[in-house]
Amino acid sequence: DGGITQSPKYLFRKEGQNVTLSCEQNLNHDAMYWYRQDPGQGLRLIYYSQIVNDFQKGDIAEGYSVSREKKESFPLTVTSAQKNPTAFYLCASSPRDRGPYNEQFFGPGTRLTVL
Amino acid sequence: DQQVKQNSPSLSVQEGRISILNCDYTNSMFDYFLWYKKYPAEGPTFLISISSIKDKNEDGRFTVFLNKSAKHLSLHIVPSQPGDSAVYFCAASGGGTSYGKLTFGQGTILTVHP
Repeated sequence: DGGITQSPKYLFRKEGQNVTLSCEQNLNHDAMYWYRQDPGQGLRLIYYSQIVNDFQKGDIAEGYSVSREKKESFPLTVTSAQKNPTAFYLCASSPRDRGPYNEQFFGPGTRLTVL
Repeated sequence: DQQVKQNSPSLSVQEGRISILNCDYTNSMFDYFLWYKKYPAEGPTFLISISSIKDKNEDGRFTVFLNKSAKHLSLHIVPSQPGDSAVYFCAASGGGTSYGKLTFGQGTILTVHP
């Protein structure tokens, strides 16, 4: 049963603490993505990775960091430098068999609240 | 700079009627467009896509129309059902954008009344 797993579903942290959000996929997809969603806004791209050991900044990368050591995993760290970290974070993956013309498959999301 | 815009924040439709969700884009390099459906506190699920070489793509109750000259696409749902109530996002990719990167609109909340 293939899919994308994000954990935890809800996460609370104190201001100033770094926090890492997990994303795992068993779809054998090469590409993985991190988005955040804020109320009334669309999904905004934070980071993406087309292949293991390589990743690129998206539109709002400041205050975030990622790693891609394994094909299945793409963790996102929200650092204390992120000024407004409270949001709904979504991880996605996609194959590359149709070049850039592949749909992305999303995980269930993690709601991060910074107190 | 909002390259993909959904100008209607919400839409209310009676069950059985047609729902039409609209999306405009500004980047003429976009050549692949997608629609996603999202329930609260869940990830979006892919609905339907269309490439710029077509002007229509149909899948069951869902049809997407693309008007390249107007840089406009729309999603038609016929007939609408209460289970269709969700947020709908359009997204665009391809061309001069980074490989595989999707740019999303703000979303439209669709409510289908029984």
